[in-house]
Amino acid sequence: DQQVKQNSPSLSVQEGRISILNCDYTNSMFDYFLWYKKYPAEGPTFLISISSIKDKNEDGRFTVFLNKSAKHLSLHIVPSQPGDSAVYFCAGIQGAQKLVFGQGTRLTINP
Amino acid sequence: NAGVTQTPKFQVLKTGQSMTLQCAQDMNHNSMYWYRQDPGMGLRLIYYSASEGTTDKGEVPNGYNVSRLNKREFSLRLESAAPSQTSVYFCASSETLWGTYEQYFGPGTRLTVT
Repeated sequence: DQQVKQNSPSLSVQEGRISILNCDYTNSMFDYFLWYKKYPAEGPTFLISISSIKDKNEDGRFTVFLNKSAKHLSLHIVPSQPGDSAVYFCAGIQGAQKLVFGQGTRLTINP
Repeated sequence: NAGVTQTPKFQVLKTGQSMTLQCAQDMNHNSMYWYRQDPGMGLRLIYYSASEGTTDKGEVPNGYNVSRLNKREFSLRLESAAPSQTSVYFCASSETLWGTYEQYFGPGTRLTVT
């Protein structure tokens, strides 16, 4: 029962262009969503979050969009930089229960 | 501020051996977690501790035990390692249970069971 799915295992984007990472979920009771970024040999680090009552949250180059009717969220990175190359995980959380992570998408930014 | 530290970084075990993964945080967080990450899968919760003195099972607790030694330290024990436990293990902490939904992760322990 995969409640959070990231269907693209990898994504390659040109430096300076927009990167769009997608995430679908099945649990309509999630009330918060988070994106984590992970470099090789390091633990994940928190990037940005969004409450289920909002449809957009922006932090610098990073924007997360939430479409509740489609049960879909996306992370936009503009402009993409080489340092953005990493694995990105989306996660959902319901109340005081556990974070449920997607499988991750490996983003590669090409110079 | 070291954040969340884990030892060891790498470990190779033979089937049936036991070991303890150590985790410590210096952020005065109340809640701590253990996850495992396998190829093609997200992080899956093994056990968590909402506060000192309490522990609860997560999604994949079988084959593991935990101890919340004090507020800083949360260890994960494999009593009889199996090849299916080959994985990367991450410890995390947050200020409150599930945090302001933000958890801080350690660098991970890569465990191979042969």
